[in-house]
Amino acid sequence: GENVEQHPSTLSVQEGDSAVIKCTYSDSASNYFPWYKQELGKRPQLIIDIRSNVGEKKDQRIAVTLNKTAKHFSLHITETQPEDSAVYFCAARPGSQGNLIFGKGTKLSVKP
Amino acid sequence: NAGVTQTPKFRVLKTGQSMTLLCAQDMNHEYMYWYRQDPGMGLRLIHYSVGEGTTAKGEVPDGYNVSRLKKQNFLLGLESAAPSQTSVYFCASSGVGRRTGGDYNEQFFGPGTRLTVL
Repeated sequence: GENVEQHPSTLSVQEGDSAVIKCTYSDSASNYFPWYKQELGKRPQLIIDIRSNVGEKKDQRIAVTLNKTAKHFSLHITETQPEDSAVYFCAARPGSQGNLIFGKGTKLSVKP
Repeated sequence: NAGVTQTPKFRVLKTGQSMTLLCAQDMNHEYMYWYRQDPGMGLRLIHYSVGEGTTAKGEVPDGYNVSRLKKQNFLLGLESAAPSQTSVYFCASSGVGRRTGGDYNEQFFGPGTRLTVL
């Protein structure tokens, strides 16, 4: 089955710097890759997603890139702000199913 | 427009007791999911359902049962709770309907249930 690896597990940056979180997946049939943000004590919420027929997608300060050949995708956050501090999860959807397989999460801390 | 709701929010059980967690969604979604979240382990899929009356196993189904008798509800049961089932449980739903723009991909999560088994 699909396996998703996420790195790093923790990331600390200064306010205004960029943050990059990377994920790899194992199932070449996976076709959908979302990123979720979970603030402390809250539910995960979708922040951006990308489909397998697209290489990059941007939404204001966040962007996601996908390399299908290498089977990895990354989340980029520019001009980080303290409110970006949270746990971020990547996920992949195996081609034959509707469910998602999640990475183990990255705890991002943005220091003012 | 409540989205996805979960009942209860907190629960403490003794080993061997049983309980049922209720998930409800008002978005007319076809797909529903149950996850557990443990520190450092991310979100792991327990069971899921692709429609009323259907269920399937996820990554960690042992010790849990589910039922989807109505499209809007997805129940997670623990028949004999064990300390290893101490976790935060999240329900999610996805599908074509209100607030999804015709997309099966985005999963909407409930607020979670914190379960402690002593």
